[in-house]
Amino acid sequence: QKEVEQNSGPLSVPEGAIASLNCTYSDRGSQSFFWYRQYSGKSPELIMFIYSNGDKEDGRFTAQLNKASQYVSLLIRDSQPSDSATYLCAVAGSNTGKLIFGQGTTLQVKP
Amino acid sequence: GAVVSQHPSWVICKSGTSVKIECRSLDFQATTMFWYRQFPKQSLMLMATSNEGSKATYEQGVEKDKFLINHASLTLSTLTVTSAHPEDSSFYICSAQGGASYEQYFGPGTRLTVT
Repeated sequence: QKEVEQNSGPLSVPEGAIASLNCTYSDRGSQSFFWYRQYSGKSPELIMFIYSNGDKEDGRFTAQLNKASQYVSLLIRDSQPSDSATYLCAVAGSNTGKLIFGQGTTLQVKP
Repeated sequence: GAVVSQHPSWVICKSGTSVKIECRSLDFQATTMFWYRQFPKQSLMLMATSNEGSKATYEQGVEKDKFLINHASLTLSTLTVTSAHPEDSSFYICSAQGGASYEQYFGPGTRLTVT
């Protein structure tokens, strides 16, 4: 079992819709969770982090964390073509500062 | 805030030569820096973790004598690819982490091509 799992996609949504990206992790001791966006040929960019159960909103982005289910998600409201990218879920190891990355989900927002 | 720079952004070198890549945190002190490699259409692969003033910790399967890492200050880490071969051609990305939180901020990456 992979430590951090994401559906590779591609996830295709129409412009203006809500995109829902999901991630599960195996280490129950994990405390810190991150979403990065990576455009093709570029390096990852941190867009959200969440430490507590529940929802965290930042503009069009909402991160959701459920530690009991070992599940973290990212919602993108009013999706734009510029949101088309690969979204990487990352989890900090319970005993180290290293981030464990999922394989990423490719999002395509169609005009 | 949280800006990380990398230099050079791309480099082409001949097989057998060495290449040095610099990673700098511009507006914060990075207690820990990480070096990743990414092949096309693949996820990030962590190569090593470096803390200022101490030896880097390499991930399993990464040759420490080939990928030399120096973290001389809280704002600068360098990766030297020694005796580069075409199979070392990849996208090398550093990230920096500071303070008590685990957020990592990535540099723009260095694309290395070995001919």
